[in-house]
Amino acid sequence: GAVVSQHPSRVICKSGTSVKIECRSLDFQATTMFWYRQFPKQSLMLMATSNEGSKATYEQGVEKDKFLINHASLTLSTLTVTSAHPEDSSFYICSARDWTGPYEQYFGPGTRLTVT
Amino acid sequence: SQQGEEDPQALSIQEGENATMNCSYKTSINNLQWYRQNSGRGLVHLILIRSNEREKHSGRLRVTLDTSKKSSSLLITASRAADTASYFCATAHSGNTPLVFGKGTRLSVIA
Repeated sequence: GAVVSQHPSRVICKSGTSVKIECRSLDFQATTMFWYRQFPKQSLMLMATSNEGSKATYEQGVEKDKFLINHASLTLSTLTVTSAHPEDSSFYICSARDWTGPYEQYFGPGTRLTVT
Repeated sequence: SQQGEEDPQALSIQEGENATMNCSYKTSINNLQWYRQNSGRGLVHLILIRSNEREKHSGRLRVTLDTSKKSSSLLITASRAADTASYFCATAHSGNTPLVFGKGTRLSVIA
């Protein structure tokens, strides 16, 4: 089956620093990738949709200058949390869509970000 | 924004009992999917049901979809302690739009 990986799985950073999270589709090409955020005991909230080679589309209320998304290739998307604050601490999950199958959206294992 | 609302928010049952979770959504959909998430872990895809389907089975799972009521249910039969997790429904408005998740149901199965 299609596999999506994320790196790192856990990261702790200091307030004010930036953190980059990578999302890779390992055995398929993903023209579209999605980034979700999940706070404790809550559901997944869609942050943005990224298409390979173009700018990401952000959901309402998500600061595009704070959450930088780059989808430079068909197998890699990155999310950079800039000038992180403790309230950015969350579980970030990426998802990739196999271009050959419109219904299938495969999820990565998530990255736990803690900002101290 | 979140599309679905799960009901109940939390459910506690004894091992061997059946667990039923419901999901309601607001707009038209192309498909509805159910996921499981163990605490602090990633998502596990359980089942996908398309808008033209009414019922689907997978092992101990049974999913129904009523598009006229904009609702779906997930039934887990003969529950096990290992079924303890959060369960989310997720809907896609069309084939190429992102999945939007409901608030989830936290299921506890007591051995």
